[in-house]
Amino acid sequence: EDKVVQSPLSLVVHEGDTVTLNCSYEVTNFRSLLWYKQEKKAPTFLFMLTSSGIEKKSGRLSSILDKKELFSILNITATQTGDSAVYLCAVFNFNKFYFGSGTKLNVKP
Amino acid sequence: NAGVTQTPKFQVLKTGQSMTLQCAQDMNHEYMSWYRQDPGMGLRLIHYSVGAGITDQGEVPNGYNVSRSTTEDFPLRLLSAAPSQTSVYFCASSHSRDREQYFGPGTRLTVT
Repeated sequence: EDKVVQSPLSLVVHEGDTVTLNCSYEVTNFRSLLWYKQEKKAPTFLFMLTSSGIEKKSGRLSSILDKKELFSILNITATQTGDSAVYLCAVFNFNKFYFGSGTKLNVKP
Repeated sequence: NAGVTQTPKFQVLKTGQSMTLQCAQDMNHEYMSWYRQDPGMGLRLIHYSVGAGITDQGEVPNGYNVSRSTTEDFPLRLLSAAPSQTSVYFCASSHSRDREQYFGPGTRLTVT
């Protein structure tokens, strides 16, 4: 059975901390892994990863994929209260996207 | 561009009623999909379409039907609503099947 598992389920940090969110997967015919941020409403796209070892970076956020060990991490440095959200990991396998249950991040001032 | 639009935003149904959730996109995207999101369970794929006239089942298709007669529209039909279908429903689209998806604002459905 194809599955995507995220950890931790929730996380509370203070502004300025660095956090690492994890996503492991067992999905046949892997094509890509995507990260989304979900605040109050619809998820918004952060990164798409297809190759191992190549870091994607956008401001304070970065992500990397390990296709041998079947996982990805999302790093957020110097966290701000605006980073508070649910972060979703999704894996695409040719036709379908499989989502993890998300990591809820709460950044306190 | 309006992006991905969904109607209605909220809906309350009685058990056994049927209804259609509307989804439209104006980005000429080929790939469209429907998800439901329940607390603690992330997004689960209901149905998807890789182009007009082509649809297929996702993880949780039972109780739902879809059609894709145009590139723009991808309605989701609930045939006979059940309390287990109480959820938030998201429609999404992408330029092609292997690209990032853009999500609509969601429909919160309650079945009593």
